[in-house]
Amino acid sequence: GQNIDQPTEMTATEGAIVQINCTYQTSGFNGLFWYQQHAGEAPTFLSYNVLDGLEEKGRFSSFLSRSKGYSYLLLKELQMKDSASYLCASAAGNKLTFGGGTRVLVKP
Amino acid sequence: GAVVSQHPSRVICKSGTSVKIECRSLDFQATTMFWYRQFPKQSLMLMATSNEGSKATYEQGVEKDKFLINHASLTLSTLTVTSAHPEDSSFYICSAAAGGNTEAFFGQGTRLTVV
Repeated sequence: GQNIDQPTEMTATEGAIVQINCTYQTSGFNGLFWYQQHAGEAPTFLSYNVLDGLEEKGRFSSFLSRSKGYSYLLLKELQMKDSASYLCASAAGNKLTFGGGTRVLVKP
Repeated sequence: GAVVSQHPSRVICKSGTSVKIECRSLDFQATTMFWYRQFPKQSLMLMATSNEGSKATYEQGVEKDKFLINHASLTLSTLTVTSAHPEDSSFYICSAAAGGNTEAFFGQGTRLTVV
């Protein structure tokens, strides 16, 4: 079966750093995705990790530990436009299972 | 990234009628398409997986006779919500994957309101 957990909500200040954690239990795991979703819109791809370690892509970085079933998304130099939901999704084969999403509110 | 187009973006229909939603991969061949449903402030829930030329695989609790999925070509899948009821009102999103690729690309989503 699949089980994905991430915090429901986080608040941070513009210019700061926020780390969104995600734990998963996935049979046949073959990768971890992070997506950003603004209200009323479809998710947009942020990152994909299949190997352990940190992947950096501009202001966003994603980390994976397969042995711990753990990932995090790090958002640096927060901007107001980063206020959105961030979805963690584990892949098994070509099927994705999504976590509940973390709503991030960036305050001035 | 690859482009997936979903249409319509919004639809309002009367209770008891049927609604068809289209999902097209514009610049690649999608051997697999996925249909999700998302209720307000909740995450995406996979409804079904469809492979071109074969019957869709539905997730537990999803009625296959109510949510008809057709994936007749490598660039088009359709989801038909039959005999829609107000509780079917939701955000429906498709995604498409090519070959054995894990990454799937999302359509823009369809906001269905049943009145």
